[in-house]
Amino acid sequence: EVQLVESGGGLVQPGGSLRLSCAASGFTFSSYSMNWVRQAPGKGLEWVSYISSSSSTIYYADSVKGRFTISRDNAKNSLYLQMNSLRAEDTAVYYCARDAEWFSGDYYYYYMDVWGKGTTVTVSS
Amino acid sequence: AIRMTQSPSSLSASTGDRVTITCRASQGISSYLAWYQQKPGKAPKLLIYAASTLQSGVPSRFSGSGSGTDFTLTISCLQSEDFATYYCQQYYSYPPRTFGQGTKVEIK
Repeated sequence: EVQLVESGGGLVQPGGSLRLSCAASGFTFSSYSMNWVRQAPGKGLEWVSYISSSSSTIYYADSVKGRFTISRDNAKNSLYLQMNSLRAEDTAVYYCARDAEWFSGDYYYYYMDVWGKGTTVTVSS
Repeated sequence: AIRMTQSPSSLSASTGDRVTITCRASQGISSYLAWYQQKPGKAPKLLIYAASTLQSGVPSRFSGSGSGTDFTLTISCLQSEDFATYYCQQYYSYPPRTFGQGTKVEIK
């Protein structure tokens, strides 16, 4: 069964740090790019970060750039998100999501086809 | 950054109704659009990618259309399990991979 399981969430004070993990199983993790997406309480989805299969390409949302670092260990089938200088507005459920691609005609199309159940991060004093 | 605007933000409908949700991009995104369904307390679920391609296992009552800046998600015959929030997302230009603000489909 294709599965993503997040862990590492919790309560942290403003300015603190937290490291999220996402364990992948049931597919060849090293062949897929991955994403982190978050959802603040009662709010919509916000894409946070992307990492290519080889870690050669990394993107961040402006809201987390310079504070968050995405990484992966293909030998351990794991994705990570190091979160530093946390703020109250980082409070959210954090999901990891697999990036799939579909080639049609001359173009590649991308989408997130597998999602974990999420881990909750609360930033509060 | 490309902005994605969904309308309406919420709607009330009855089982059996035909429901249409619109997603508009602030600039042309070709067909680089996906639709997701999210139920309370659950992770999002992929419904449609490349604007109109149905993800495997998704019921055929769901369909997507559009290209450029205007897109629609249609549920042809609303079922009880379809009451949820729906999001569009663009993949044309990133970062960021922008989501729409969501459309909540509620029971009338």
